[in-house]
Amino acid sequence: QSVLTQPPSVSGAPGQRVTISCTVSSSNIGATYDVHWYQQLPGTAPKLLIYGNHNRPSGVPDRFSGSKSGTSASLAITGLQAEDEADYYCQSYDSSLSGVVFGGGTKLTVL
Amino acid sequence: QLQLQESGPGLVKPSETLSLTCTVSGGSISSSSYYWGWIRQPPGKGLEWIGSMYYSGNTYYNQSLKSRVTISVDTSKNQFSLKLRSVTAADTAVYYCGKFLYGSGRNWFDAWGQGTLVTVSS
Repeated sequence: QSVLTQPPSVSGAPGQRVTISCTVSSSNIGATYDVHWYQQLPGTAPKLLIYGNHNRPSGVPDRFSGSKSGTSASLAITGLQAEDEADYYCQSYDSSLSGVVFGGGTKLTVL
Repeated sequence: QLQLQESGPGLVKPSETLSLTCTVSGGSISSSSYYWGWIRQPPGKGLEWIGSMYYSGNTYYNQSLKSRVTISVDTSKNQFSLKLRSVTAADTAVYYCGKFLYGSGRNWFDAWGQGTLVTVSS
């Protein structure tokens, strides 16, 4: 059972805005550690999408944005495009385990 | 631009040891800024962190795998390796190596290898 809980799937039509939630259920993460997001296109390796809750690496379109409040984080995608269809994972750090934890992943379908 | 490439057998027999190597190019594995790590993904499932290490030897392992895992580094070859002992079918997965930014509030993977599928079967 992941300590980071994501919805299994979300969907949206081209041009729409979708959000993917990531709820932290461990007191060892809580509000202390940042949440990061990865995009995994079909058949490829994950790619860093958002780090430190809301920062975008170079090359990531500003259609992607992240936020975190307390024990909940969200990834928002605006102006949805067919190429955004992928699996999205949140990730944080569990201090008690000295380890990385991933959410279960959310499959985004562009209708 | 730094790149990572996994290599190793694609088929391992049950109870044996899975051994993979990650070769780093375009940068030094001995950089003081980075850790290095392994992540796996069973077919059709999510990501699972296996462990991370610093080039000097500090290692951190997933508690659920700790008794079976060893991650080591060979700075002369700019490589780091994963050994997972006593494998079962449940260890069948795509294994990724990655560059892990850690410390000073950082704890994320900012570069990944392409991944390699390892199947555990007799």
